[in-house]
Amino acid sequence: EAQVTQNPRYLITVTGKKLTVTCSQNMNHEYMSWYRQDPGLGLRQIYYSMNVEVTDKGDVPEGYKVSRKEKRNFPLILESPSPNQTSLYFCASSPLAGPNNEQFFGPGTRLTVL
Amino acid sequence: GDSVTQMEGPVTLSEEAFLTINCTYTATGYPSLFWYVQYPGEGLQLLLKATKADDKGSNKGFEATYRKETTSFHLEKGSVQVSDSAVYFCALRIQGGSEKLVFGKGTKLTVNP
Repeated sequence: EAQVTQNPRYLITVTGKKLTVTCSQNMNHEYMSWYRQDPGLGLRQIYYSMNVEVTDKGDVPEGYKVSRKEKRNFPLILESPSPNQTSLYFCASSPLAGPNNEQFFGPGTRLTVL
Repeated sequence: GDSVTQMEGPVTLSEEAFLTINCTYTATGYPSLFWYVQYPGEGLQLLLKATKADDKGSNKGFEATYRKETTSFHLEKGSVQVSDSAVYFCALRIQGGSEKLVFGKGTKLTVNP
């Protein structure tokens, strides 16, 4: 089944404790992206990647890191989480960058930083 | 910058009622337009899309027409069902740069039996 998977689905952590949210897709997509969803703000892009070893900042990159060592994986790293990073996070992928290409979304990771 | 404005919710309808969710956009380029749906506890799913002016996207009884003259992409359904209860997001995507989807804030729809 073609899908984007994220782990964990739910995470409660404390300020300053490094964490990684994994994202994996099995569709051989070049493009991958991370979004965060906050009430009243919709979804905003954090980071994106056009292909392996090519990553760039989105609209809200502060406090986050990413890597793209393999085509299928695009982990989101929070080196020192803070309460304002409490949010619902979505990973997405699509075949080649292009305005007509559908982005496929993972199920989401709900993160709470105490 | 590029932006999407959609009607504020929540929207509550009775089953079989007519649905319209308004969406307008501002874009520097020539965007593709999308409606995504998020069912409770799930990720986003593409509902429909339109890639050029006057295109009509349709799926599961929902329709939206790309209106360049009014920069709009309103979502409509003639007869909603309880199973349509979800949050609906209008979005645009422009080629080049980050290739990101620019989302509206979402409209929560509740359909009562």
